[in-house]
Amino acid sequence: DTEVTQTPKHLVMGMTNKKSLKCEQHMGHRAMYWYKQKAKKPPELMFVYSYEKLSINESVPSRFSPECPNSSLLNLHLHALQPEDSALYLCASSQEAPGADTQYFGPGTRLTVL
Amino acid sequence: DAKTTQPPSMDCAEGRAANLPCNHSTISGNEYVYWYRQIHSQGPQYIIHGLKNNETNEMASLIITEDRKSSTLILPHATLRDTAVYYCIVRSDGYSTLTFGKGTMLLVSP
Repeated sequence: DTEVTQTPKHLVMGMTNKKSLKCEQHMGHRAMYWYKQKAKKPPELMFVYSYEKLSINESVPSRFSPECPNSSLLNLHLHALQPEDSALYLCASSQEAPGADTQYFGPGTRLTVL
Repeated sequence: DAKTTQPPSMDCAEGRAANLPCNHSTISGNEYVYWYRQIHSQGPQYIIHGLKNNETNEMASLIITEDRKSSTLILPHATLRDTAVYYCIVRSDGYSTLTFGKGTMLLVSP
């Protein structure tokens, strides 16, 4: 089973709202990732968690706040977003093993900021 | 991680083999070649990866040249559901991240 689940599938929020995106995997993977994908562009890495600790933050604005409550869950808390933050937000996970370390992606959350 | 070059788009007739090329002339010895695809508005799907040898799985075959400077992903019998953007990514072993390029938009037609 290589399933990564994400909720919600779609989210519409105003610029003053606070919302959260959720990601879950039950493959025993120890690394989890958030990517952002704007329309007609490739995915871009935002954050990496390794063994539940934030290991990479690709200079993401503080209005995006990641959280890893346990090894199976990854959240992305959103606050005071801008319309240009509208995008597909993708979660991925991997074993974090030596050698080839394949990432598996969820279906994404389509976020619209009004 | 080494940079990759792919054609922006390709066409393929349904039932025929789709051969997607990727150039990675600056690849180094410990870097793998990964292929993902992304069907419209879905998450990227892992297809296959390789280091030196050719690889085959239930989805595709990966042919890597002997000098490792280029590779070809082969979908042996393309179907309409194979229409997607295909990304060739080179990454070193261990825990490095994926850097997506622009990919190749493969359109499979009846």
